[in-house]
Amino acid sequence: DGGITQSPKYLFRKEGQNVTLSCEQNLNHDAMYWYRQDPGQGLRLIYYSQIVNDFQKGDIAEGYSVSREKKESFPLTVTSAQKNPTAFYLCASSIEGHQPQHFGDGTRLSIL
Amino acid sequence: DAKTTQPNSMESNEEEPVHLPCNHSTISGTDYIHWYRQLPSQGPEYVIHGLTSNVNNRMASLAIAEDRKSSTLILHRATLRDAAVYYCILRDFSGAGSYQLTFGKGTKLSVIP
Repeated sequence: DGGITQSPKYLFRKEGQNVTLSCEQNLNHDAMYWYRQDPGQGLRLIYYSQIVNDFQKGDIAEGYSVSREKKESFPLTVTSAQKNPTAFYLCASSIEGHQPQHFGDGTRLSIL
Repeated sequence: DAKTTQPNSMESNEEEPVHLPCNHSTISGTDYIHWYRQLPSQGPEYVIHGLTSNVNNRMASLAIAEDRKSSTLILHRATLRDAAVYYCILRDFSGAGSYQLTFGKGTKLSVIP
């Protein structure tokens, strides 16, 4: 079945460490997105990519980085510059930017 | 971006219809109305979207007011699996911001057996 796979489901980070969250899709979608969700809140856009080798900052890109070397993959790195990284991270994709987005099941990141 | 207003929470009895309201009084002519829902500890799921006319799909119906300042998501027979947070989102297709989904706090729907 086609879908979006996020891994790991739970991730723990030590202070000062960079961590990378994986997002893979086999839907042949051009556009991919990363969102952050804090408890009781809606989602906020971190980065999005419309095509391979291109990506744009969202509302809260500071402290995060991404790459889009393959159509299927859009990994997110949470750097040590992100001072409050504890959150639920969601990856999504769509056929193109205007179409409905399909979401993965998320990665929950916590600080040790 | 145009904003939406939804009740914080609603309750419904199982197997009864549910009408989830959304107000968007500042909606522009190029805004589509999208609905997503999110079950606990899962990613959001697309439900339905529309522009001016009422829309139906296998999950739900979307009723849009004639002046487009409000809309209602209709679940015809609520099941326990419909218990989720429902988000009403406006997407502007006229500019670069159309790639972003702007989620508010949504409506938390509880379904009573």
